[in-house]
Amino acid sequence: GAVVSQHPSRVICKSGTSVKIECRSLDFQATTMFWYRQFPKKSLMLMATSNEGSKATYEQGVEKDKFLINHASLTLSTLTVTSAHPEDSSFYICSTYPVGTSGGIVTDTQYFGPGTRLTVL
Amino acid sequence: TQLLEQSPQFLSIQEGENLTVYCNSSSVFSSLQWYRQEPGEGPVLLVTVVTGGEVKKLKRLTFQFGDARKDSSLHITAAQPGDTGLYLCAGFTSGTYKYIFGTGTRLKVLA
Repeated sequence: GAVVSQHPSRVICKSGTSVKIECRSLDFQATTMFWYRQFPKKSLMLMATSNEGSKATYEQGVEKDKFLINHASLTLSTLTVTSAHPEDSSFYICSTYPVGTSGGIVTDTQYFGPGTRLTVL
Repeated sequence: TQLLEQSPQFLSIQEGENLTVYCNSSSVFSSLQWYRQEPGEGPVLLVTVVTGGEVKKLKRLTFQFGDARKDSSLHITAAQPGDTGLYLCAGFTSGTYKYIFGTGTRLKVLA
């Protein structure tokens, strides 16, 4: 089945530093990737939709200058948490779905990365 | 804003009992997925339902999509400790290509 990887799986950083999280689709092209944030024992909250070759679309209330998203290739999207603070500590998860050769979606099924646990001290 | 409300939020039952989790919305979805998530891991897909009224079975789990494609249910028969986890429904809208997650149901099955 389709595989999505995230790196790193866990990161601890000091307040004020920036952290980059990578999301890769390993065996298919992903023109669209989704970034979610999850607080402990809560559901997933969609932060933004990452589109290859264009600007990301952010959900209401998500600071685009705080959470920089870059989708430079068909298999890689990155989320950079800039000037991280303790309140940014969370579990960040990406997901995507395969597209066909014409760019259309093949299936509604999305595939998730394993998540990245960010802890800001 | 699309919302998917799940009920109950928490459920603690004894092994062998049956349970049903509900996922409700006022919005129509072109498909709906159910996931189970363990702590520190990404969600794992259990099933996708597409057609209104569709029923899918996965061993002891039965999933149903409402006729109007606004709601869904997950029924577990004879729950086992291995069923413990966070259950999430997610609706997909083809117009926005977005997945909206439900509020989640945390299930604990006691041996």
